Parts: sequence; C-alpha cells; structure tokens
Amino acid sequence: GESVGLHLPTLSVQEGDNSIINCAYSNSASDYFIWYKQESGKGPQFIIDIRSNMDKRQGQRVTVLLNKTVKHLSLQIAATQPGDSAVYFCAENKGWGKLQFGAGTQVVVTP
Amino acid sequence: DAGITQSPRYKITETGRQVTLMCHQTWSHSYMFWYRQDLGHGLRLIYYSAAADITDKGEVPDGYVVSRSKTENFPLTLESATRSQTSVYFCASNPDGVNTEAFFGQGTRLTVV
Repeated sequence: GESVGLHLPTLSVQEGDNSIINCAYSNSASDYFIWYKQESGKGPQFIIDIRSNMDKRQGQRVTVLLNKTVKHLSLQIAATQPGDSAVYFCAENKGWGKLQFGAGTQVVVTP
Repeated sequence: DAGITQSPRYKITETGRQVTLMCHQTWSHSYMFWYRQDLGHGLRLIYYSAAADITDKGEVPDGYVVSRSKTENFPLTLESATRSQTSVYFCASNPDGVNTEAFFGQGTRLTVV
C-alpha cells in the first residue's frame, strides 16, 4: 500500500555539523508534506512544511527539499545543536488533514 | 493560551475496563484527530472529526469510540480495554483540514494491565 517511510532509524551528528534526514513516499499524487520534531515525553511539534508545487523551502536553520521525480523529501538542519536531539517524522497529508507518518529518525547530537 | 490539552497524562487500567481519554482545544479548529504511537513507530490515525457531530474512522479504529458534541472537545473511549491498546495517545487539531499543519497535545500514556 501507499506509505511514507524513512531510510535511517538513527542519525548521530556532531554538534555544529549539518544534519540530513531522508524520507520516501510512494503516492505521486501527494501534495503536502510536513516535518515534525518530537522530544521525549512530548507531542510532535511542527518544524516546516512543503507543498508539491515547490522544490525547496527554508526556515530558521532548516530546509526541506522535495524531489517529486523520485518521490523523496529531506530535512536539513544547519549547525546542529544539542537541542535538536529528538525524533523527526515526515508526514504526508492524506486529505482532510489526516496525516500518515513515517517511522521516525532519532537524531543524537554529540559534543 | 492553552491550545490543545489532553487528560489524563498517565493512566493505568485493567483489561476489560472502559476508559475515556479527553482532548480539549481552545482555537475552535474544525478538525480534530486521535493518533496512537507505539514504541519505535510513527503515529497512526485512529479517528478524526471534521466538525461537531461529524466523525470518521482512520487507519486503526477497532476497539475505539469517539464523539464530538462540541467543537472544542473530542473524547476517545476504549470500550473494553485490551493489552494491545497500551500506547501513547495523541490528540491533534487543524483549522480547516486543508494544507496546514496539525497541532498536537502532549499525549496520554495508557497502560492496560
């Protein structure tokens, strides 16, 4: 069936380096994607979103890239900080606001 | 500005008991959702609601019941709790169900023993 998934379950990053988290999706008709950050014991927190009519979107220290040809999106975090340690999820809007989440990537920032 | 709040934060219940998880939002968002998150997995949609008195099933609705008599509240009831329903439950809301982000509550950790 159609799904959204992540390539790497755990990403270890040195403080100050850039992080890249990848996500694949299978529904070529999908038109809206969101990245969420989830810290331990908390609910998912919105980071950035992108619509299918865009290839790139930038926020504060974060950039999302969307490659519709290969149905792939990525989240780039610049100058990763200890506070960036969390689980990151990509999510796909399945219509009516319903979100389908990937399994998540644990980002661990090391000093 | 309370946003979206869930109660209780933690709950332990016995198999076969009925339990209700509460969700309240102060934004008057039309859409509300219930997700469950199991260890090592992403969130899966249980039920959603487009407005008061309008609800529909998500990906994993079996064993759950929802209601939405008021826009701001969206309770989730486990009619007869089973151990497989041990999970963390998240409520979320979205203003219009179109391409905008959903806002999540802090979660309810439910353990069924």
